[in-house]
Amino acid sequence: QIQLVQSGPELKKPGESVKISCKASGYTFTDYAMHWVKQAPGKGLKWMGWINTYTGKPTYADDFKGRFVFSLEASASTANLQISNLKNEDTATYFCARATEGMDAWGQGASVTVSS
Amino acid sequence: DVVMTQTPVSLSLAIGQPASISCKSSQSLLGTSGKTFLNWILQRPGQSPKRLIYQVSKLYSEVPDRFSGSGSETEFTLKISRVEAEDLGVYYCWQGTHFPLTFGSGTKLEIK
Repeated sequence: QIQLVQSGPELKKPGESVKISCKASGYTFTDYAMHWVKQAPGKGLKWMGWINTYTGKPTYADDFKGRFVFSLEASASTANLQISNLKNEDTATYFCARATEGMDAWGQGASVTVSS
Repeated sequence: DVVMTQTPVSLSLAIGQPASISCKSSQSLLGTSGKTFLNWILQRPGQSPKRLIYQVSKLYSEVPDRFSGSGSETEFTLKISRVEAEDLGVYYCWQGTHFPLTFGSGTKLEIK
């Protein structure tokens, strides 16, 4: 069955960087793009952008341009999200979701806590 | 950006009662392809979101048929014919027609 398994929780200090992974299984990784979605504690969902898993081309929503980088390890069927120069407001759970007509499969979420 | 407005903010219903959630968009979600990319997802407490409905009214295979979606252009509705205990959580509509993709603020369904 289709699964997206994300990396574990992270505790970071302001200014540090973090890399979150999303490993896909149960389908051909390069057939579907991957979305990234942010959920701050107790808040709703915010789309960060997506990455074309065939070409590797990322597309970022305006609020996520600059410190956020989507990348791939296609041979490992893995999509990555790297956040640099972490700020307190980056504290959130980050989800990957497979892009089809909708978002038909979601990872379990990766929690990032930024605290000094 | 397309603003997605969901009402009500919360619902408290007994098992067996019907539920209705409204989702309105600030722009038409009818795309140039002729498709309307309005979707619904459910986030149960402590879990990641799960797929429910895509393109307004198409249920994913595992979704019970007590769920239904309807609407067009800017006004959409998710209905549950008879609420069950497993339906509790936060329902989000989201649109995939216009960049950037945007989500509604969610409707929390509680079971009495």
